[in-house]
Amino acid sequence: KAGVTQTPRYLIKTRGQQVTLSCSPISGHRSVSWYQQTPGQGLQFLFEYFSETQRNKGNFPGRFSGRQFSNSRSEMNVSTLELGDSALYLCASSLGASGSFEQFFGPGTRLTVL
Amino acid sequence: AQSVTQPDIHITVSEGASLELRCNYSYGATPYLFWYVQSPGQGLQLLLKYFSGDTLVQGIKGFEAEFKRSQSSFNLRKPSVHWSDAAEYFCAVGTNNAGNMLTFGGGTRLMVKP
Repeated sequence: KAGVTQTPRYLIKTRGQQVTLSCSPISGHRSVSWYQQTPGQGLQFLFEYFSETQRNKGNFPGRFSGRQFSNSRSEMNVSTLELGDSALYLCASSLGASGSFEQFFGPGTRLTVL
Repeated sequence: AQSVTQPDIHITVSEGASLELRCNYSYGATPYLFWYVQSPGQGLQLLLKYFSGDTLVQGIKGFEAEFKRSQSSFNLRKPSVHWSDAAEYFCAVGTNNAGNMLTFGGGTRLMVKP
């Protein structure tokens, strides 16, 4: 079974631009979560989608948004990019959404904002 | 809200020596506890998890962890470290009422001396 895939793997943008990252979960998984990883703040939860509905949201500004499609694929969007948005963005998929299901992480998208 | 502390930012051990990585959590009820490992440029791989039952859990790659409720700890151990274990290790806590949202500790970077 294929793992979680994220595209693109690397991205370079300039301040003020917007960016869209994509995540394809493991087949059959209906929950997708997004995390931001930076050296200064570590791993921080962005949001979780289950059956196309946002179930949880972390403490990030409204510039960060996401959505999930009927095939469980998910995208996250960051508008008006800032230098501090440079990070590794990780996606994780899970069968369910109760917290007791194992989450499988993708390799991440490395975003650099210049 | 839950929180996780990993007191050791860096640890260096000799190959073949035993290892213990510390993790303390804060949560009012019984949490779901996880240990993940991240190699450079990679996503997170689950080593082991604790949901309930036996407080000593076995994971992959020869790792184990013990849940101690009285100490709010979930320390990771390995009896004999291999050079390939060099990586960053993250402890995380989830809850039954927060979907798949995980709260991560700051991580411990393990270096292995030959």
